[in-house]
Amino acid sequence: RKEVEQDPGPFNVPEGATVAFNCTYSNSASQSFFWYRQDCRKEPKLLMSVYSSGNEDGRFTAQLNRASQYISLLIRDSKLSDSATYLCVALDSNYQLIWGAGTKLIIKP
Amino acid sequence: ETGVTQSPTHLIKTRGQQVTLRCSSQSGHNTVSWYQQALGQGPQFIFQYYREEENGRGNFPPRFSGLQFPNYSSELNVNALELDDSALYLCASSLGGQGANYGYTFGSGTRLTVV
Repeated sequence: RKEVEQDPGPFNVPEGATVAFNCTYSNSASQSFFWYRQDCRKEPKLLMSVYSSGNEDGRFTAQLNRASQYISLLIRDSKLSDSATYLCVALDSNYQLIWGAGTKLIIKP
Repeated sequence: ETGVTQSPTHLIKTRGQQVTLRCSSQSGHNTVSWYQQALGQGPQFIFQYYREEENGRGNFPPRFSGLQFPNYSSELNVNALELDDSALYLCASSLGGQGANYGYTFGSGTRLTVV
């Protein structure tokens, strides 16, 4: 079993729709969690950190459930520019990043 | 504030050769991590350096080695290149220890092709 697992995708979604990404992690000692966005052939860029209380940044909402070891990302009113691969990442007890394989999102006009 | 810079951006090497990739960390960051990302996959952790010492290593063979310098810049060396080493190599810097909770900054990567 992979340490961080995500929906395999790709997700094909019409512009304006709401998209939900799910992620689970196996190491309960993981400290922090992040969502990164990666455009084709580019480096990953931090989208947002994930907190137990839930956090929102504009159209993006991230949630962490430590009891279920589950992380989510919601994108509302999706735009064409949201098309990218979304990577779920856990920071383990050794302060090392453990990555999911990513879920590709394709927003269609 | 300068970000993370990597060089070269692209590289083509022949199987069996050796390669050195370079990374300059973001100003104020003392920890550098290296990742290998094959096409269509998430990054895989290679190793991490904190204050010039390796303080973590992923599941990579010894022919993958590294260095960190007093200015916190870093090198990744790969000996005896294999075709499967073709990938995007990413360098990320962060603050050490608990500072990692604030996130990592990535360079734009070096795309290595082994033929």
